Amino acid sequence: QKEVEQDPGPLSVPEGAIVSLNCTYSNSAFQYFMWYRQYSRKGPELLMYTYSSGNKEDGRFTAQVDKSSKYISLFIRDSQPSDSATYLCAMSVAGGSYIPTFGRGTSLIVHP
Amino acid sequence: GAVVSQHPSWVICKSGTSVKIECRSLDFQATTMFWYRQFPKQSLMLMATSNEGSKATYEQGVEKDKFLINHASLTLSTLTVTSAHPEDSSFYICSASWTGGYKRSDEQYFGPGTRLTVT
Repeated sequence: QKEVEQDPGPLSVPEGAIVSLNCTYSNSAFQYFMWYRQYSRKGPELLMYTYSSGNKEDGRFTAQVDKSSKYISLFIRDSQPSDSATYLCAMSVAGGSYIPTFGRGTSLIVHP
Repeated sequence: GAVVSQHPSWVICKSGTSVKIECRSLDFQATTMFWYRQFPKQSLMLMATSNEGSKATYEQGVEKDKFLINHASLTLSTLTVTSAHPEDSSFYICSASWTGGYKRSDEQYFGPGTRLTVT
């Protein structure tokens, strides 16, 4: 079992839909959780950075962490075609080298 | 803020030659830089971590003599693929981070990537 599991998709939704992207993990020591957006042939861009459980909102994006279930989500409201990209989750432990473990990414397609 | 550049953005080289990729943090001093490799539709695979002025720490299975990493300053790291072969063809991405105050090094900022094709 991989430490971080993420469905590669693709996930195809119509413009304006609410998108839910998810990751599960097995290491209970993970405390910091990140979401990156990666457009084709580009480097990942940090979208959200959260600590421990709870919700964090930034514009149309909401990151949610449920440590009891070892499950994190990224919600995108009012999705736009420009949101079409691969979304990678990443997480790291509280101490040590702070090197995050990445999921394989979910490909999202928002069609007009 | 937190802009990272990479050069070149793509490169084609012949088998047996060496290729150098540069990674620069443009508006901050990077205490740590990371080099990743990414295959199509796959996640990022960490190759090595480097701190300014010290030797890079390579992940298991990554040949340090083949992938030479130099982190000579707080704004520049280079990855040299020596004696490249077609199986080295991939998308190479660097990232940079800094610690200080409440910053943690897992908050990484990525460069745009370099696509290497070895013929």
